[in-house]
Amino acid sequence: GAVVSQHPSRVICKSGTSVKIECRSLDFQATTMFWYRQFPKQSLMLMATSNEGSKATYEQGVEKDKFLINHASLTLSTLTVTSAHPEDSSFYICSARGTSVTDTQYFGPGTRLTVL
Amino acid sequence: AQSVTQPDIHITVSEGASLELRCNYSYGATPYLFWYVQSPGQGLQLLLKYFSGDTLVQGIKGFEAEFKRSQSSFNLRKPSVHWSDAAEYFCAVTQGAQKLVFGQGTRLTINP
Repeated sequence: GAVVSQHPSRVICKSGTSVKIECRSLDFQATTMFWYRQFPKQSLMLMATSNEGSKATYEQGVEKDKFLINHASLTLSTLTVTSAHPEDSSFYICSARGTSVTDTQYFGPGTRLTVL
Repeated sequence: AQSVTQPDIHITVSEGASLELRCNYSYGATPYLFWYVQSPGQGLQLLLKYFSGDTLVQGIKGFEAEFKRSQSSFNLRKPSVHWSDAAEYFCAVTQGAQKLVFGQGTRLTINP
């Protein structure tokens, strides 16, 4: 299957700082990328959907000014958590889908964010 | 509203035993159906998917799933589980360009 990478895999930061997480599709062009958040022992919660070259579409309740998403190329999307607080600590997972809406979403390995 | 239900939060089976994980969905038309597996601290790996055609779908790692329209179900099965199958399993559904909707997940524990 297709490969999606995320960097970093783990990050610890101080409260008030910003953190950037990268999501890359390594062997296919991802027209659409998705960002999820997962709390311990829970399912994935979709935060936003981004299409290459367009503004991201955020799910209800997700602060777009706090979670900045950029999808500048067909292989890279970034999520920036701005002015992070301890409640932002979570597991963030991205996924990528190809050019067809019937294409499968392939998931990255996730990024564990801890805000002190 | 569209929804996916995985009735079993936690299942324990013995190594070598058969496995069935349940998934029911609520959609207006035939959706696209997926099963993903997640090991602790990892992302999701696609086990199998159903878009159309043969309702019995074969996946990786010896898993299969059967789409039953009349029951709105897409249950995952494996005839003989291995200790390495211990993980969290997610059923997911989408319709066309719409977003994936996940079930709550089923945690599988394997007894030696």
